[in-house]
Amino acid sequence: EAGVTQSPTHLIKTRGQQATLRCSPISGHTSVYWYQQALGLGLQFLLWYDEGEERNRGNFPPRFSGRQFPNYSSELNVNALELEDSALYLCASSLGDWREYFGPGTRLTVL
Amino acid sequence: QKEVEQNSGPLSVPEGAIASLNCTYSDRGSQSFFWYRQYSGKSPELIMSIYSNGDKEDGRFTAQLNKASQYVSLLIRDSQPSDSATYLCAVNRNTGNQFYFGTGTSLTVIP
Repeated sequence: EAGVTQSPTHLIKTRGQQATLRCSPISGHTSVYWYQQALGLGLQFLLWYDEGEERNRGNFPPRFSGRQFPNYSSELNVNALELEDSALYLCASSLGDWREYFGPGTRLTVL
Repeated sequence: QKEVEQNSGPLSVPEGAIASLNCTYSDRGSQSFFWYRQYSGKSPELIMSIYSNGDKEDGRFTAQLNKASQYVSLLIRDSQPSDSATYLCAVNRNTGNQFYFGTGTSLTVIP
């Protein structure tokens, strides 16, 4: 069974630009979670999507947004990039039993 | 006060010893508790979940939960060098299905 996949692996942007990160969940999983893992910090919850709807978001500004498509894949958009947005962005999927399975992550670097 | 607190370590144990990792959480309404292992440069991998007070064993791993004390622990018996990683404690409040992660404990098993 294929795991959670994320693309791209690495992304380099400059301040003020927009970044788009993509995630494909494990087949059959309807929930997708996004996290930010900055250097030295723990995983910070960003967004939770389930059945195409945004169900919850963490304490991040509105320039962090996303969506979930009918096939349950998801996209995270970060607008007006700031230097402190540089981090590993992890996507996780779940079958709804609260057990999360993480993808390999996208390393975003903002210059 | 952080939602989930862990001793950052590093924790070093000799090969074959028992490694004990601890975690406390702040919300008494938390219902689901998880331990993830994260190797350097990799994404977190779920190793244990526990939902009720007491012990839960899976191979060399034992998770312990004490809701009255708001305390979760992970014991790794017969520690191996391959267990060297950062261990993340995660808690789900169920309300809003939001996961809170600790910053992790770095474990080194010395051959």
